[in-house]
Amino acid sequence: EAGVAQSPRYKIIEKRQSVAFWCNPISGHATLYWYQQILGQGPKLLIQFQNNGVVDDSQLPKDRFSAERLKGVDSTLKIQPAKLEDSAVYLCASSLEGVSYQETQYFGPGTRLLVL
Amino acid sequence: GENVEQHPSTLSVQEGDSAVIKCTYSDSASNYFPWYKQELGKRPQLIIDIRSNVGEKKDQRIAVTLNKTAKHFSLHITETQPEDSAVYFCAAKGGGGNKLTFGTGTQLKVEL
Repeated sequence: EAGVAQSPRYKIIEKRQSVAFWCNPISGHATLYWYQQILGQGPKLLIQFQNNGVVDDSQLPKDRFSAERLKGVDSTLKIQPAKLEDSAVYLCASSLEGVSYQETQYFGPGTRLLVL
Repeated sequence: GENVEQHPSTLSVQEGDSAVIKCTYSDSASNYFPWYKQELGKRPQLIIDIRSNVGEKKDQRIAVTLNKTAKHFSLHITETQPEDSAVYFCAAKGGGGNKLTFGTGTQLKVEL
């Protein structure tokens, strides 16, 4: 089966600019996650969607980050305006469901963002 | 919220030796503990997971043990090979949702 797709793979922007990332989850997966992975650290959850509803966005910096998942399939994550500390890999993951025994998360290749 | 600590941060072993990575978690309601392998510049990939109703799980050279009382779980890799070299992350899912909290990672290097 096809895996989680993300684009772009790399992005370089200057601080205060805006950027958007796109994710297409595995077909049929109801739950979609966006993670931020700073170099040398583990992934940190930014936002979790169940279909097109937000389940958890407690760690999303809402003053500059936004995400949507229209129609419950693809999702976009936006940063506006970007700061130097936003430099990281942004990983998208999906799972069949969020409930027990269907919660295995499959990750996409990530988008590597560098803010100058 | 959940807090996951992982040790060691780096681990170097000789090919054929065993490697052990340990994690502790804080939320006693956590019930799902996956381990991911991440090669340089690539996506994290699930290698094994365990649920709180099981104490040990094995898959060929990889095994995971869980001690709910002590709130810690460990990854064991036997007969290590150079292709096992990567960063390994443990994670724990709290009982209140499907939020995974990751450890800080262990850089494993298998030397010839």
